Amino acid sequence: DGGITQSPKYLFRKEGQNVTLSCEQNLNHDAMYWYRQDPGQGLRLIYYSQIVNDFQKGDIAEGYSVSREKKESFPLTVTSAQKNPTAFYLCASGTLINEQFFGPGTRLTVL
Amino acid sequence: GENVEQHPSTLSVQEGDSAVIKCTYSDSASNYFPWYKQELGKRPQLIIDIRSNVGEKKDQRIAVTLNKTAKHFSLHITETQPEDSAVYFCAAIAGGSNYKLTFGKGTLLTVNP
Repeated sequence: DGGITQSPKYLFRKEGQNVTLSCEQNLNHDAMYWYRQDPGQGLRLIYYSQIVNDFQKGDIAEGYSVSREKKESFPLTVTSAQKNPTAFYLCASGTLINEQFFGPGTRLTVL
Repeated sequence: GENVEQHPSTLSVQEGDSAVIKCTYSDSASNYFPWYKQELGKRPQLIIDIRSNVGEKKDQRIAVTLNKTAKHFSLHITETQPEDSAVYFCAAIAGGSNYKLTFGKGTLLTVNP
């Protein structure tokens, strides 16, 4: 777990703003993921990437975008098209045998 | 796609008692079933997992059982302690969609001293 970092820890967004959440890992994992967590809900998959320069939509991709230019990095942009972005965002990286390990999370609040 | 149901949503036990959380899944091709523990405001931590080629796995006070025929798996915590209090999530990877986990909605476990 210590090998996955997310920044910032807290983020505030104004209406109509795009914001980017950072996720970095030094575990040499090929796969990386973004999840959204709302109170009383499980984790819902936004996007995932199995390899550099490739990524797939998860279950709730609308209003979000990602890039995977480096193995170590998988930033998530929350666009103004996401109408209810207030949530806890968790990044994870995964091994070839499907184990996933999470970063500390970013708590995003819309002002 | 895969669907994971988790029960109960809340569970309260006395210190020293056992706790059991159950999950069912829909895709019979699913082959990997992890359990995560999440303390308030923290990241989920992988505590134990099981693969479809075994029926049970233990790690000290924690065990997981898998019934592939019935498509359900359970987390068992024995001799519970207050520090076991947290939200526990089960998950499954659907067959044919390597890497993509589907999570249950979580169980809030409270261990009363």
